[in-house]
Amino acid sequence: NAGVTQTPKFQVLKTGQSMTLQCAQDMNHNSMYWYRQDPGMGLRLIYYSASEGTTDKGEVPNGYNVSRLNKREFSLRLESAAPSQTSVYFCASSDYSRSGRISGELFFGEGSRLTVL
Amino acid sequence: QKEVEQNSGPLSVPEGAIASLNCTYSDRGSQSFFWYRQYSGKSPELIMFIYSNGDKEDGRFTAQLNKASQYVSLLIRDSQPSDSATYLCAVGPGGSYIPTFGRGTSLIVHP
Repeated sequence: NAGVTQTPKFQVLKTGQSMTLQCAQDMNHNSMYWYRQDPGMGLRLIYYSASEGTTDKGEVPNGYNVSRLNKREFSLRLESAAPSQTSVYFCASSDYSRSGRISGELFFGEGSRLTVL
Repeated sequence: QKEVEQNSGPLSVPEGAIASLNCTYSDRGSQSFFWYRQYSGKSPELIMFIYSNGDKEDGRFTAQLNKASQYVSLLIRDSQPSDSATYLCAVGPGGSYIPTFGRGTSLIVHP
């Protein structure tokens, strides 16, 4: 059981280049998330998808776009990378709680380490 | 602005001691509370969650919640070197359970 799979695990970009981070989960979860983690900053939510067909901005969405391709896959795109986007990116997923709301019990992928020069 | 505050540490405890990690939050409407453990270079993993005031125990871990004082804590009994990691507190607001994460507390358990 793979859980949440992210690709690539490492990437170096030059300023202005574009790239897409891929994420897939095999747990049949409804909700998926993209976080970034910087030293001393904790986890900050970029975008999330509460369910297939919906996406919403999180705390730090500027410079990013997302696509919820289907229930399994949620991609994050950097259209024009900037050095400030150097970070570790985590994809996560969760199911609904028994109340029918998004559960805060997140399952994380291994992370994608991005460096923008 | 919903805030979740943690002391960044590091918190250093000897092997076998009790480690106490604390977290305060600003949103009084918060409904759900989580502790994640993150080893260096790895992804966070959920170790405890608590929704009601009081204590919740799971093996060597105890989560404590006090909504009136707006704090949640994690106690680790009989600390082991393998517990050395960063512990992230996450708080879920009412109406939506997407948690807000604190910056984490680094725990070092020395032999």
